[in-house]
Parts: sequence; structure tokens; C-alpha cells
Amino acid sequence: ELKVEQNPLFLSMQEGKNYTIYCNYSTTSDRLYWYRQDPGKSLESLFVLLSNGAVKQEGRLMASLDTKARLSTLHITAAVHDLSATYFCAEHRGGGSNYKLTFGKGTLLTVNP
Amino acid sequence: DTAVSQTPKYLVTQMGNDKSIKCEQNLGHDTMYWYKQDSKKFLKIMFSYNNKELIINETVPNRFSPKSPDKAHLNLHINSLELGDSAVYFCASSHQGADQPQHFGDGTRLSIL
Repeated sequence: ELKVEQNPLFLSMQEGKNYTIYCNYSTTSDRLYWYRQDPGKSLESLFVLLSNGAVKQEGRLMASLDTKARLSTLHITAAVHDLSATYFCAEHRGGGSNYKLTFGKGTLLTVNP
Repeated sequence: DTAVSQTPKYLVTQMGNDKSIKCEQNLGHDTMYWYKQDSKKFLKIMFSYNNKELIINETVPNRFSPKSPDKAHLNLHINSLELGDSAVYFCASSHQGADQPQHFGDGTRLSIL
């Protein structure tokens, strides 16, 4: 089965530190999405990466896509407590109306004071 | 002015019962989805509909029957509920061919006693 693998699955870090979450996928897709989920809440879209070399930044989060390596990264800079959540990457598969997102297992991020 | 709304938010019922979850989106999207999130937070697509037509059916048991009366609504009916059906079910919507992210509802937490 084609998979989307995230690591780490659990990440505990201190405020002010930097860290990177990795997302490896197994098809030749050139579209990758990052979502955030707070406990008991819905999924919130963070980034849409549409081509090789795409880089997007929002606040302390920066996402990138390397389609040749089939790798996306979510980099956290100077973490703050408010970033504590589960982060999912999702690979876009298929085309036209017959497309779906295949999600990784999520990375539970806890930022400690 | 909720974009993707699901009802009910919580559903507690006994094994063997039949239940329905409703979903509506007011974003003008033409494609809607049902996802299942298990207790380990793994998120997997179940169905997608484009303009009321079933596009994706991810080997979901026949007890699950989606219905889309129009492109703004996608309901999920579940027959003969089993313990393994306990999960959070998310509805989502997007434009066809999505270079835009899918927008998720708040989820329906289904608990089978």
C-alpha cells in the first residue's frame, strides 16, 4: 500500500527551540498539504504546496516540498506554546474530480514553557 | 456562517442501530468527502462526491451509504452499527481539481456502546 509517513509521531520541545517535521510519500505527486488539528477540533489548512521547490511561510511555520525526494518538511522556528497541536501532511493523489488526500499519521507536537 | 457544518456533533448509540450524519457546505464547492478518524487519529478517506455523483468509494463496508441530494449536501447513513465504527467522522469539501485545500467540518464523534 502506498503510504505517507511522518516523523516524528511525537515531538516534545521547549519554547524558543527549532525543529523540523518530515513527511515522506511514495507516489510521484507534486501536491502536498499540511493541516493542523487541535484536540477535539476540526482540521485547519496550513499550507498548500503545488510544485517542486515550493516554500511557504506563515509566522513561525515554514513548509517546503521536494518532489524528487518525495519529501516535505514543516519547520518550526522559536516554538511557542500556542503551536501545540497535531500536524498532518497529506498527499494529493489522482486528478480532476477523482482526487483524494492520503494523510500521514500525524505528529503530536507539545511545546513546553 | 459556518463553512462546512455537520450534525450531530456527538452520537452515542448501541450496536446494531442505524444512524445518519448530515453535512452541508456553503462554500459553493462541487466536491464533498467523508473521512473517518480512528482512536489513534489516523485519518482515512471513505467517500467523495462531485456534483452529486459518487467518485471515490474506498472499500468501505456496505453498511455505510452516502447520499448527496445536491452538491451542497452529503449525508452518511450507517446500518447495523458495530463497535469498530466508533470514531470521529469528518465531512470536507473542495473545488474539483483542488489547488485549494479541502475544508473540514467540526466532526461527528460516534460512540457505539
